[in-house]
Amino acid sequence: GQQLNQSPQSMFIQEGEDVSMNCTSSSIFNTWLWYKQDPGEGPVLLIALYKAGELTSNGRLTAQFGITRKDSFLNISASIPSDVGIYFCAGQLHTDKLIFGTGTRLQVFP
Amino acid sequence: GAVVSQHPSRVICKSGTSVKIECRSLDFQATTMFWYRQFPKKSLMLMATSNEGSKATYEQGVEKDKFLINHASLTLSTLTVTSAHPEDSSFYICSGTKREGLHNEQFFGPGTRLTVL
Repeated sequence: GQQLNQSPQSMFIQEGEDVSMNCTSSSIFNTWLWYKQDPGEGPVLLIALYKAGELTSNGRLTAQFGITRKDSFLNISASIPSDVGIYFCAGQLHTDKLIFGTGTRLQVFP
Repeated sequence: GAVVSQHPSRVICKSGTSVKIECRSLDFQATTMFWYRQFPKKSLMLMATSNEGSKATYEQGVEKDKFLINHASLTLSTLTVTSAHPEDSSFYICSGTKREGLHNEQFFGPGTRLTVL
C-alpha cells in the first residue's frame, strides 16, 4: 500500500535538545496528522493540520502543513525522556482513511 | 478524547486455527472503524474500513475471505483471522471515528499481538 516517506528514520539525542522530523508525499493531502506510538500501544494523536501553510503548536510540539500540501514537519523543543517513542505522520484526503508515514524512532538520553 | 479497547491484548494460536479480535468504542459511537496491521519496526498498514451494518471495504492485497470483519453495532467491530499461518503473526490495531468539532478524528485501540505457531 501507499506510504509516506519520513526522515530521519531514527534519532538519538540528548535530553534538552530540539528535534525536527519531516514527512513527504508524491501526492497531496487535505489533512496532515502527527501521532506518537509507545511500544505495544496504539498511536495517539499529537497535532492535526487542516490548511496548507498552517502552523500549529501543542506544548513543546510544533507542526506545519506544507504549502504544496505534499509535506509536513514536526518539531519537538527541549526534549525529555518521555518523548521516547515512534512518531508517525499520516495524510488524509477526502475520506477518513489515513495513509501513515514510515515512522521516526526517537531515543532520548539523559 | 475517546476510548477504544481491544480484546484480547495478545493471543498465541496454532497454525490452521481461527482467531477473533474484538474492537469496542467504550464511550462513543464510531461511525466508521478501521483495521490496521503493523509488522515489527514497520508502519501501520490499513487493512479494511468497516461501517456498521454493511460489508467491509478491503484494501488492495488484503484477502477478505481470510480476514473476516463483522461490524455488529456502532460500538463493536470484530476481525477474524481464519486458518491463521505464521506469516499472519503481527500487531493488529483498530480505530474508531468520532466527530470532533468540524472534523472526524480516529481514536486507536491498544492493539492485539497475534503469534501463530
